[in-house]
Amino acid sequence: AQSVTQLDSQVPVFEEAPVELRCNYSSSVSVYLFWYVQYPNQGLQLLLKYLSGSTLVKGINGFEAEFNKSQTSFHLRKPSVHISDTAEYFCAVSGDGGTSYGKLTFGQGTILTVHP
Amino acid sequence: DTEVTQTPKHLVMGMTNKKSLKCEQHMGHRAMYWYKQKAKKPPELMFVYSYEKLSINESVPSRFSPECPNSSLLNLHLHALQPEDSALYLCASSKRDFDGTGGTDTQYFGPGTRLTVL
Repeated sequence: AQSVTQLDSQVPVFEEAPVELRCNYSSSVSVYLFWYVQYPNQGLQLLLKYLSGSTLVKGINGFEAEFNKSQTSFHLRKPSVHISDTAEYFCAVSGDGGTSYGKLTFGQGTILTVHP
Repeated sequence: DTEVTQTPKHLVMGMTNKKSLKCEQHMGHRAMYWYKQKAKKPPELMFVYSYEKLSINESVPSRFSPECPNSSLLNLHLHALQPEDSALYLCASSKRDFDGTGGTDTQYFGPGTRLTVL
C-alpha cells in the first residue's frame, strides 16, 4: 500500500522569498514520485518527477525536488517565488505494479499563496 | 507535446438530462483516465482504460458511463446525475517511463470540465 502526506495544507510566503513544500511518502515497493501544480479552475500540470538516478530533480518554472529515501521525503523547493506561483501543489506516488497503466496516490495538497 | 484536450470547459445540466464529456489525446499514450475533483481535494480516480479496455472502475455509480471509441478518445456519458456530482472532471493520459529495472506511467492531465448539476 502507498500513501502520501503533505505536511502543510497552506503556505503563505512573500514574493522573491524561498519556499519549501513538504511531502512524505510510504510505499512497500519501488517508488516513483511526482509533483503537480493546479492553478485555479485548471487541470493538473506536471512540475517534475523522480524515477531513478540523481536524487535532485529539476522541473519547470524553476522548481526542484530532492528524493530522500532514508527520510521517505520528496520536498519541493524554489529559491525565489513569484506571484504567478500562487496555486495548489500536489505530491503523488506511483509504484511499479507491473500493470499496463499507472495508478497515482495523491497527497491532500498544499495551497501556496505568494504575497506582494 | 503533452496536450490532453477536454470539451466542454463548462457544463450545466439538470438531473434528468443526458450529456457527455469528451477527452482527446494524440500522443500515442496507452492509457486514459477519468478523475473527479471536488473543491480543495485531490483528484479521485473513477475509471482507467488501458489499450482501449476498461481496466479499473473505482465503484463509480452507473449514472456515469465511460466509453473509449479508439486509442485517442475517451468519453464520459452522464445520466440522471445528482447535485453532489457537481465537480471538476479531469481526463488524463499516460505513457510508460522506464528506469532500467522497471518503471511506471507518467500521467498528463487535461484542463478539466466544470460540471454543475441543478
